[in-house]
Amino acid sequence: QVQLQESGPGLVKPSETLSLTCTISGASVNSPGYYWSWIRQTPGKGLEWIGYIYYNGNTNYSPSLKSRVTISADPSKNQLSLKLISVTAADTAVYYCARGKGGPEDFWGQGTLVTVSS
Amino acid sequence: EIVLTQSPATLSSSPGERATLSCRASQIITSFLAWYQQKPGQAPRLLIYDTSNRATAVPARFSGSGSGTDFTLTISSLEPEDFAVYYCQLRYNWPPRVTFGQGTRLEIK
Repeated sequence: QVQLQESGPGLVKPSETLSLTCTISGASVNSPGYYWSWIRQTPGKGLEWIGYIYYNGNTNYSPSLKSRVTISADPSKNQLSLKLISVTAADTAVYYCARGKGGPEDFWGQGTLVTVSS
Repeated sequence: EIVLTQSPATLSSSPGERATLSCRASQIITSFLAWYQQKPGQAPRLLIYDTSNRATAVPARFSGSGSGTDFTLTISSLEPEDFAVYYCQLRYNWPPRVTFGQGTRLEIK
């Protein structure tokens, strides 16, 4: 059974960098055909796609976040990471990692709340 | 950019009733439309992919349909565990992008 677990600081100061890790079990981050997404959820804006990384390392990002976001994968640790620079209060959200293959994301982590505040 | 608009924002129904949730796209789209269910404190759960295909272990009372710009999630006979928020999602290949509707809250009448 695939399991995804997000981790990282729950509080980040404005203008700093948000860094999260997603630890994957039951699947390999570089298994052919799969992709791995980051999606966030805020009360005001609902679900928002951040971007994804394919098994081969190719990435795609939301146009609205592209200038600030980096998604990477570490096959040796079987982990996914998200970095979002220059955060503001608008980046306060529950952040999810999720897996997909040829279609929508079918396995999601439980999510982790990140609050941006001084 | 394609915008997905879900209606109604809130639907009040009773167990045993049929529920119909709508997702309208701002332009004609392909069949890469999915539906998710989300309960409080939980991650979204995939129900339907490619407009009408049920995901693994999804009960047969859930069905998806539609084409062009109008898509529907139907729950044929509501069970108590079906009261949740439902989101539609569109994936498109070029440019590679994912977008969600704003959600429909299905509440017990």
